[in-house]
Amino acid sequence: GAGVSQSPSNKVTEKGKDVELRCDPISGHTALYWYRQSLGQGLEFLIYFQGNSAPDKSGLPSDRFSAERTGGSVSTLTIQRTQQEDSAVYLCASSLETGVRDTQYFGPGTRLTVL
Amino acid sequence: EDQVTQSPEALRLQEGESSSLNCSYTVSGLRGLFWYRQDPGKGPEFLFTLYSAGEEKEKERLKATLTKKESFLHITAPKPEDSATYLCAVGGGSNYKLTFGKGTLLTVNP
Repeated sequence: GAGVSQSPSNKVTEKGKDVELRCDPISGHTALYWYRQSLGQGLEFLIYFQGNSAPDKSGLPSDRFSAERTGGSVSTLTIQRTQQEDSAVYLCASSLETGVRDTQYFGPGTRLTVL
Repeated sequence: EDQVTQSPEALRLQEGESSSLNCSYTVSGLRGLFWYRQDPGKGPEFLFTLYSAGEEKEKERLKATLTKKESFLHITAPKPEDSATYLCAVGGGSNYKLTFGKGTLLTVNP
């Protein structure tokens, strides 16, 4: 079946502009996660959704970052007033449920470059 | 705070030369240790989940093992197509996020 999809695959923007990144989880998966992968760094947790609610926003690096999920499916990560340090690959993952042992399956990522 | 350290950072092998990758971790209440493979320009691809010390899982040339402090990914007779970055992650306590190591870049030469 179809995996997690993300769009766009690449995004180049100018410092100070807003960007929106989209994630389509695997059909039927109720949990959705956003991570960030910077050059030379491990994956960094950003936010997690169970259905449309976000019980854990602890990883969002600043108030310029926000995310929403509608209809228990598609999620959008928005970065306002982008900075050069926001340049990274943004990865989305989904899992069937939020059981503590559920496997997270990742999408291909969106590579964001802030000039 | 959960921590994951992977070693070595990079490993170069000849085809057929077996070796192991290490993942050392500290976590409060391990609920799972996960291995992923990541190819350049792609998202991580799930390989294994290990839940308790002593557990082992195998898939083709890969075998993952788990102790209370570390996990090993053993690669037997690797092929060039096994070249990738291998990521280790832990989930702990009652939260659902994964904490990742920085990965081991494996290169297998023909």
